[in-house]
Amino acid sequence: GIQVEQSPPDLILQEGANSTLRCNFSDSVNNLQWFHQNPWGQLINLFYIPSGTKQNGRLSATTVATERYSLLYISSSQTTDSGVYFCAGGEGGGADGLTFGKGTHLIIQP
Amino acid sequence: GAGVSQSPRYKVAKRGQDVALRCDPISGHVSLFWYQQALGQGPEFLTYFQNEAQLDKSGLPSDRFFAERPEGSVSTLKIQRTQQEDSAVYLCASSFGYSVHNEQFFGPGTRLTVL
Repeated sequence: GIQVEQSPPDLILQEGANSTLRCNFSDSVNNLQWFHQNPWGQLINLFYIPSGTKQNGRLSATTVATERYSLLYISSSQTTDSGVYFCAGGEGGGADGLTFGKGTHLIIQP
Repeated sequence: GAGVSQSPRYKVAKRGQDVALRCDPISGHVSLFWYQQALGQGPEFLTYFQNEAQLDKSGLPSDRFFAERPEGSVSTLKIQRTQQEDSAVYLCASSFGYSVHNEQFFGPGTRLTVL
């Protein structure tokens, strides 16, 4: 199966800062998702992005499928952005289990 | 409901007890997935259903773990003779399953603690 590496593992920023989270895949994926896990453990869908670029408010993501990586950008960070960010990929067109990275633990300080 | 629901949210079991965890997927979603998340780790895939058919159970850690989805909707993950290493959050996810776009949506999870 595929391997997923996320970096950095931990990130501490001041409110208002920008950040870039990276996800590398060992093989091609047909399903790629970014999640935010809130303090109560709920995985919140941020982006479904097997390729290309998407934006949603202060968040955006880019996946370069040919080079097997994806980036999540957070601009003007707020304390509510704190939590763990996971990327996850699947090989089989989406109808198969996702392989998750170990996550990036983000702390936004006021 | 609008999202994936799971019950119970918390379960405490004594070692050796059997437990059953329930998942209600998003209405109309064909695909259903179970994951296990240990403390401080990312979720790990356990098993996958398409309708009532269990198409992949490669992630189930032992034969004590059993999952079913008899009518292609609600699913139950059963763990027999629980062990302390089974303590984790068990997450259920569903996806539409019929299109190229197969975004998975997760429930809130069941936190299992085995004493």
